[in-house]
Amino acid sequence: AQSVTQLDSQVPVFEEAPVELRCNYSSSVSVYLFWYVQYPNQGLQLLLKYLSGSTLVKSINGFEAEFNKSQTSFHLRKPSVHISDTAEYFCAVTPNNQGGKLIFGQGTELSVKP
Amino acid sequence: SAVISQKPSRDICQRGTSLTIQCQVDSQVTMMFWYRQQPGQSLTLIATANQGSEATYESGFVIDKFPISRPNLTFSTLTVSNMSPEDSSIYLCSSCYRELEQFFGPGTRLTVL
Repeated sequence: AQSVTQLDSQVPVFEEAPVELRCNYSSSVSVYLFWYVQYPNQGLQLLLKYLSGSTLVKSINGFEAEFNKSQTSFHLRKPSVHISDTAEYFCAVTPNNQGGKLIFGQGTELSVKP
Repeated sequence: SAVISQKPSRDICQRGTSLTIQCQVDSQVTMMFWYRQQPGQSLTLIATANQGSEATYESGFVIDKFPISRPNLTFSTLTVSNMSPEDSSIYLCSSCYRELEQFFGPGTRLTVL
């Protein structure tokens, strides 16, 4: 069985500060990794994904995540956050033998304050 | 990207009744998924719906409680049967496109009194 743990349920930061949202997973098979974002009163959107290749993946709005196989982690980082980054962030995995279904972490609420 | 719509967007229902949620995608997809997001919690997969076959349910979810239809490659329904207040959640459908990228519908917010 697979599981995903997001170590922080809430992360308050000030605008322009760096942020790291932590994600660890457990799986007996290889997985694909994802970060999804849910802005207030909006639907769930894919932020970035790791399928293969370079372990560092980046989004168009400045977020990046690094797949660390030895530590089974996929932490999300941004060097300087904006007020508009305030949202709920979900880490998720798809086992590579289970046809795309997602197993989500508990979510991290990122609150960016001026 | 894909466009996924859901109906209704929200509903308030009495216990013991049933509600059917519709999910429409704007292109043909093989796999569709139904998730539940209980208040203050993460998303949990209910079932995978493939066209032309019975849905595959995850542990803790059964067909009698959550019957699913998948009549064609762009549409699916989820019924929440014999509802109780514990069924109050947001129900989301999604579909899987290239490179395992899933797009989600806006969700149906269900409140059971």
